[in-house]
Amino acid sequence: DTGVSQDPRHKITKRGQNVTFRCDPISEHNRLYWYRQTLGQGPEFLTYFQNEAQLEKSRLLSDRFSAERPKGSFSTLEIQRTEQGDSAMYLCASSFTQGVTEAFFGQGTRLTVV
Amino acid sequence: SQELEQSPQSLIVQEGKNLTINCTSSKTLYGLYWYKQKYGEGLIFLMMLQKGGEEKSHEKITAKLDEKKQQSSLHITASQPSHAGIYLCGADRRGSTLGRLYFGRGTQLTVWP
Repeated sequence: DTGVSQDPRHKITKRGQNVTFRCDPISEHNRLYWYRQTLGQGPEFLTYFQNEAQLEKSRLLSDRFSAERPKGSFSTLEIQRTEQGDSAMYLCASSFTQGVTEAFFGQGTRLTVV
Repeated sequence: SQELEQSPQSLIVQEGKNLTINCTSSKTLYGLYWYKQKYGEGLIFLMMLQKGGEEKSHEKITAKLDEKKQQSSLHITASQPSHAGIYLCGADRRGSTLGRLYFGRGTQLTVWP
């Protein structure tokens, strides 16, 4: 395991379609985060898991967004009825639980809604 | 709105020159992280600072956190084209979920030969 893996790297979808992204964290990490980044901005927090429990969701995560982390391993982020404003880079990160510790990011999934 | 202010927004330097990027917060930072991002790619972890006055170096990059833990700087010595990219500072905040990072907008660094 060499790092956080995200799939797909790029996704183009038509407005109104549903999309799902996958994140495989570093295997020993029990914390997993999803962020969204738009052009010219820093990443913005979406949601956070500790093991399989989703412990926090940002206001950015509307009802059309849902995230899961079954069995505390990989995670999926689904966007239903996509809108053009959903176009962004979706980043996944993972870290250890204890103390202040660095988060390692994946390469991201670039979503374009046309 | 962004929790952290980064300056400058962009920087163009000649290879071999030194440069400094700043990151400022109005709130006390619990942990300060520096990441580098190539356009369209993920974030690469550079350094984490936790204690007031702390300084860390890796190769030609040095990061410092001030005593009040509200300002950090990233200094690159003798810049190279490989240093080009977007530098992002991110921070934990007291009272917030541990590990939830707030990021600045980033500093775009171009190094020309």
